[in-house]
Amino acid sequence: EPEVTQTPSHQVTQMGQEVILRCVPISNHLYFYWYRQILGQKVEFLVSFYNNEISEKSEIFDDQFSVERPDGSNFTLKIRSTKLEDSAMYFCASRESPGGTPEAFFGQGTRLTVV
Amino acid sequence: TQLLEQSPQFLSIQEGENLTVYCNSSSVFSSLQWYRQEPGEGPVLLVTVVTGGEVKKLKRLTFQFGDARKDSSLHITAAQTGDTGLYLCAGARDNYGQNFVFGPGTRLSVLP
Repeated sequence: EPEVTQTPSHQVTQMGQEVILRCVPISNHLYFYWYRQILGQKVEFLVSFYNNEISEKSEIFDDQFSVERPDGSNFTLKIRSTKLEDSAMYFCASRESPGGTPEAFFGQGTRLTVV
Repeated sequence: TQLLEQSPQFLSIQEGENLTVYCNSSSVFSSLQWYRQEPGEGPVLLVTVVTGGEVKKLKRLTFQFGDARKDSSLHITAAQTGDTGLYLCAGARDNYGQNFVFGPGTRLSVLP
C-alpha cells in the first residue's frame, strides 16, 4: 500500500543550527503539507504546497521555515536557525489533488529535538 | 479561526463496552476526517465524511457527519484493546486543497 515516508525518524540538533526534514509523498499525489505536533498538544498546520509553490501557510511558518520540492519525489522542510521551541514531531502529508478526494495521508513523522 | 473541539478528552473503558466520542465546531466544514494516532507515530486515516447526515461504517466503528456539517461522532461497538489510541478529527474548509484543522483528540484506553 502506498505510503508517505519521512526521514530521519529522529533528529537532535543544537539551537541555531539548520535542519532539513525530508518526505517522500505518495507518488501520484500533487498536494503536500507539513504539520507539527508539540508533545501533548494539537496537530498544527504549517504549510501546504501545490504546483511548485506554497498554497497556504500558518503564522507558525515564519521566515525561518522554507519548503522545497527539489526533484520529482522529495518534499523538504528546512528550519534555518532552530530554536528550543521548534522541538516537536513534524509530519508530512499528501493528497491526490485539489478538488479530488479530500483525504490526506500522513507519514510517521520526524521527532526533532533542539538542545 | 475555525476550531474543532473533541469530547471527552479522556475515556477509559472495559473491553466489550460501547462508546461514542464527539467532534464539534461552530463552523461548517466541507469534509471531516477521523484519524487514529499511536504514541510517537503519525495519524492514520480512518474515514472521510463529506455529506451532511452521512453515516459510514468501518467494521465496529460508525462515523456520522452532522446534518449542518459542523459536528461528527465516532461510535465504537464492543471495544477491543487494539482500539486504544488517540482519536483525532480534522476538518477541511473546502475540497480545493485547503489545510485541515485538527481537534485536540480523545485519548481512549480499552482495558482487558
